[in-house]
Amino acid sequence: GNSVTQMEGPVTLSEEAFLTINCTYTATGYPSLFWYVQYPGEGLQLLLKATKADDKGSNKGFEATYRKETTSFHLEKGSVQVSDSAVYFCALIPNTNAGKSTFGDGTTLTVKP
Amino acid sequence: NAGVTQTPKFQVLKTGQSMTLQCAQDMNHEYMSWYRQDPGMGLRLIHYSVGAGITDQGEVPNGYNVSRLKKQNFLLGLESAAPSQTSVYFCASSSLGGARSEAFFGQGTRLTVV
Repeated sequence: GNSVTQMEGPVTLSEEAFLTINCTYTATGYPSLFWYVQYPGEGLQLLLKATKADDKGSNKGFEATYRKETTSFHLEKGSVQVSDSAVYFCALIPNTNAGKSTFGDGTTLTVKP
Repeated sequence: NAGVTQTPKFQVLKTGQSMTLQCAQDMNHEYMSWYRQDPGMGLRLIHYSVGAGITDQGEVPNGYNVSRLKKQNFLLGLESAAPSQTSVYFCASSSLGGARSEAFFGQGTRLTVV
């Protein structure tokens, strides 16, 4: 079956540091890939997405590139802020069954001033 | 601008009790899903629906049933609650062609089974 593996957390950074959260996936065909963010006590919100190989998703300074050759979708941000503290989830939706999405375990990010 | 609304937000059940978690969306989305979120395990798909009257099992369907009589509503039922079902439950919806669309999530239902 499909699977998503995320870099284990928690991750603690100082403000303005560079962020990378690794995500690799296993899936047949060409899934769409997503990063979601969850703030305390809330549901998940879409952060960015990419629907085909070499696409780059970006939003709020975060970026991720769909790399089919390495089956990866790593999340990056050049300069994190305290307000970026949250749990980040990598996810895929297969093109063969759009109802069956698969999520990674989540990575907790804490940014200290 | 309601989006996806889940009720209740919190619930405590005794082992063996039954209950229904409700989810409503006002975006005319075809796809709806139920997930459970447990510490260190991400979100796991319980059941999903691709339209009114059409449902299918996800990764962890045992102990749960679902109903989608109307397009805008997706109900998750626990017939006989067990402590292992203590979790946070999220409902999500997305438009047709989910692979090209984002999922919108509700705020979650925190369920405790004692």
